[in-house]
Amino acid sequence: KQEVTQIPAALSVPEGENLVLNCSFTDSAIYNLQWFRQDPGKGLTSLLLIQSSQREQTSGRLNASLDKSSGRSTLYIAASQPGDSATYLCAVSTGANSKLTFGKGITLSVRP
Amino acid sequence: DTEVTQTPKHLVMGMTNKKSLKCEQHMGHRAMYWYKQKAKKPPELMFVYSYEKLSINESVPSRFSPECPNSSLLNLHLHALQPEDSALYLCASSLFAGTGGSPLHFGNGTRLTVT
Repeated sequence: KQEVTQIPAALSVPEGENLVLNCSFTDSAIYNLQWFRQDPGKGLTSLLLIQSSQREQTSGRLNASLDKSSGRSTLYIAASQPGDSATYLCAVSTGANSKLTFGKGITLSVRP
Repeated sequence: DTEVTQTPKHLVMGMTNKKSLKCEQHMGHRAMYWYKQKAKKPPELMFVYSYEKLSINESVPSRFSPECPNSSLLNLHLHALQPEDSALYLCASSLFAGTGGSPLHFGNGTRLTVT
């Protein structure tokens, strides 16, 4: 059974800092990995999707990498801003039905 | 603004009520999903529709009844719910379901409170 872990559960950084959010998964037979952002009381916003054949994806200040063999992904946020404060979840797609398994998320607070 | 629209935003219902949650997307996506999310927990998959047919039911109690009238609409009919069913109900869509996958697009959810 696929398990996705995100540690730490919460992170507080000063504005301007570059930071890395980690995600690990137990079954390397994934189809893709997706990073989401969730603001309080809102739905999830897709940030980046990495197919299993890819190593990384970039969008603006965000860069996500994937090391399938070691079961790890990182989300790099450059020059963090208070508006980046949110919960970041990673999810992997596995199995015959490509079901998404979510991590519990990392709640990020960027201090002005 | 999200491209997946959910109504209502908030719903309070008694345990004997019947209500429905609605979800709409016009991105031409052929897979639609219902998720349930409790506070400070990740979303849990409930149902998947692929090409308007139910393809996954994650052993959800029958008091939750999904319906996909057409490729753009997804409903979740609620009847005789329990207080522990109170949660944020999220609808999502993707270009297609199945291997390879495509990004999931989520709505902002319906906050359901069962009294």
